[in-house]
Amino acid sequence: DIVMTQTPLSSPVTLGQPASISCRSSQSLVHSDGNTYLSWLQQRPGQPPRLLIYKISNRFSGVPDRFSGSGAGTDFTLKISRVEAEDVGIYYCTQATHFPRTFGQGTKVEIK
Amino acid sequence: QVQLVQSGAEVKKPGDSVKVSCKASGYTFSGSPIHWMRQAPGQGLEWMAWIDAGNGDTRYSPKFQGRVTITRDTSASTAYMELSSLTSEDTALYYCARVTSVSATFEMWGQGTMVTVSS
Repeated sequence: DIVMTQTPLSSPVTLGQPASISCRSSQSLVHSDGNTYLSWLQQRPGQPPRLLIYKISNRFSGVPDRFSGSGAGTDFTLKISRVEAEDVGIYYCTQATHFPRTFGQGTKVEIK
Repeated sequence: QVQLVQSGAEVKKPGDSVKVSCKASGYTFSGSPIHWMRQAPGQGLEWMAWIDAGNGDTRYSPKFQGRVTITRDTSASTAYMELSSLTSEDTALYYCARVTSVSATFEMWGQGTMVTVSS
């Protein structure tokens, strides 16, 4: 299985300041069809996960533009330009290039 | 709007089976695969299986192969996940999620079904 490694595991951030989460895969996530199936999920406390970003950098419907994704191959990043109180939660990267789908272990974003 | 509503919490004994349902609304059920994941208390997400809601094709994670069965009832717009030979390690929140061809990932999630396995 593809191992997805996220860093940091915990990210205390001051409101209004940026946050960045890294996700590294054990193999390239470039699919034979040319797409890279790396996405990011947000899980607020007590809630199911919510899709933020798909195919590296595409924001899902309704996701604020302070969230952005980048990367290629095996290294990917989720950035929050200015953290707001509602951004508290755990963020997961997930890949759909290889079977079975796998997730990173999660990064907890909390307010300092 | 697109919605996935799952069945309620379950308490089972070791060795039992559990069947969780996921009812879809707001879109054409047969047009999108449904995936199943689980999350043990305080832990991360684990992918289990998926079903093509149109033709019923399924694919299972090797970890759960032989123990999980995914089915669907198109007339009821509902997918089902049955897990057998339960142990305490199967205590978790079980989620269904819809995947579309646009994003190829989990666009909409059910609210989750807590399954507790305890003697």
